[in-house]
Amino acid sequence: DIQMTQSPSTLSASVGDRVTITCRASQSINRGLAWYQQKPGKAPSLLIYEASSLESGVPSRFSGRGSGTEFTLTISSLQPDDFATYYCHHYNYYSGAFGQGTRVDI
Amino acid sequence: EVLLVQSGAEVSKPGESLKISCKASGYTFTNRWLGWVRQTPGKGLEWMGIIYPGDSDARYSPSFQGRVTMSADKFAATAYLQWISLNASDTAIYYCARSVFPSVLGGFDIWGQGTVVTVS
Repeated sequence: DIQMTQSPSTLSASVGDRVTITCRASQSINRGLAWYQQKPGKAPSLLIYEASSLESGVPSRFSGRGSGTEFTLTISSLQPDDFATYYCHHYNYYSGAFGQGTRVDI
Repeated sequence: EVLLVQSGAEVSKPGESLKISCKASGYTFTNRWLGWVRQTPGKGLEWMGIIYPGDSDARYSPSFQGRVTMSADKFAATAYLQWISLNASDTAIYYCARSVFPSVLGGFDIWGQGTVVTVS
């Protein structure tokens, strides 16, 4: 199984900060990686797919980079609505896995 | 509007069987991979597997293989997740979610509201 290691697990930040979350795969996954935002009591919401493609309707302050085994999600200028938990997700036709999550709080 | 609507909360006893559902609307159900995801407070999000409703091709995580069965009724545009014998560790929220691409697997762009399963 491919394991996804996400860091940090918690991140304290302020409005306007640039924030970066990292996700590492235990072996190469090419660009089969997505990022989600989840707020309490809600289903996850897709932000990025194929490592760097911005989902329709998602603000441009969110961006994704990487390929192979190392990936990042960056929020260029943190907004009040961005305080939430973020997950990376590796996908292919035979396996999938989520990172442990990163809680972004004040 | 594209929607995945899941069945309601369930309370079951250990050893009982259970089948929960995920009804799709607003898109062609048969040509998008659909995944199931478990969420528990202790383990976060867990990828359970995926199914292609067009031909019911199902792929399972080793952690869930043999413990659950995914199926799809393309005429009812509904996917199912089934247990033969529940145990307390199955207590969780279960989400269905659709692949962002037609025919090709990608991230999950549309999610159901979640089904809370309590085994006690």
